[in-house]
Amino acid sequence: DTAVSQTPKYLVTQMGNDKSIKCEQNLGHDTMYWYKQDSKKFLKIMFSYNNKELIINETVPNRFSPKSPDKAHLNLHINSLELGDSAVYFCASSHTTGTGNQPQHFGDGTRLSIL
Amino acid sequence: GNSVTQMEGPVTLSEEAFLTINCTYTATGYPSLFWYVQYPGEGLQLLLKATKADDKGSNKGFEATYRKETTSFHLEKGSVQVSDSAVYFCALDYNTDKLIFGTGTRLQVFP
Repeated sequence: DTAVSQTPKYLVTQMGNDKSIKCEQNLGHDTMYWYKQDSKKFLKIMFSYNNKELIINETVPNRFSPKSPDKAHLNLHINSLELGDSAVYFCASSHTTGTGNQPQHFGDGTRLSIL
Repeated sequence: GNSVTQMEGPVTLSEEAFLTINCTYTATGYPSLFWYVQYPGEGLQLLLKATKADDKGSNKGFEATYRKETTSFHLEKGSVQVSDSAVYFCALDYNTDKLIFGTGTRLQVFP
């Protein structure tokens, strides 16, 4: 009964390639997020979607394009991968209340390694 | 802007020792405060939260009290176990459903 599931768990690819990471949640949440965790464990939000609508778009290169076909799915497509994209990418979801007091539920992460 | 500052790790303790991981925040108004834990190879899990001043969050023997006067949310546990070894993240959310994380503190507990 995985609540937030991401695929793949590991992704090793060459610089310049295009790749996608998929995320699905079965919690009935209306908001989903993508975070990037660097090698020093620092976590930073990249995007959030609420009911398929983009809400948060931090300063992320436009090579990164999120897509939300429905509120249970949020995929991340990355074009022209660069060495600096190597990181662990986490998907998360939550209920939206506008009060900021709802916890987020995280997937297990996708470790992306660029050769 | 809003930010979270955590003590640098790693924190290394023997089993049954007392744990404190410091967390202070900068925010206008009253954000919600969270502690998340990340076990090796896993995603983050909510450990506890507090949504207003003087609230105490607690879970699995861990506690943290929302202190408005010192803008702090320090994590404590009276007796740590080897299984508590993980990275702990303090975070805040200021009415935006957007979490701002501290840099994380690695805890290593030895038998």
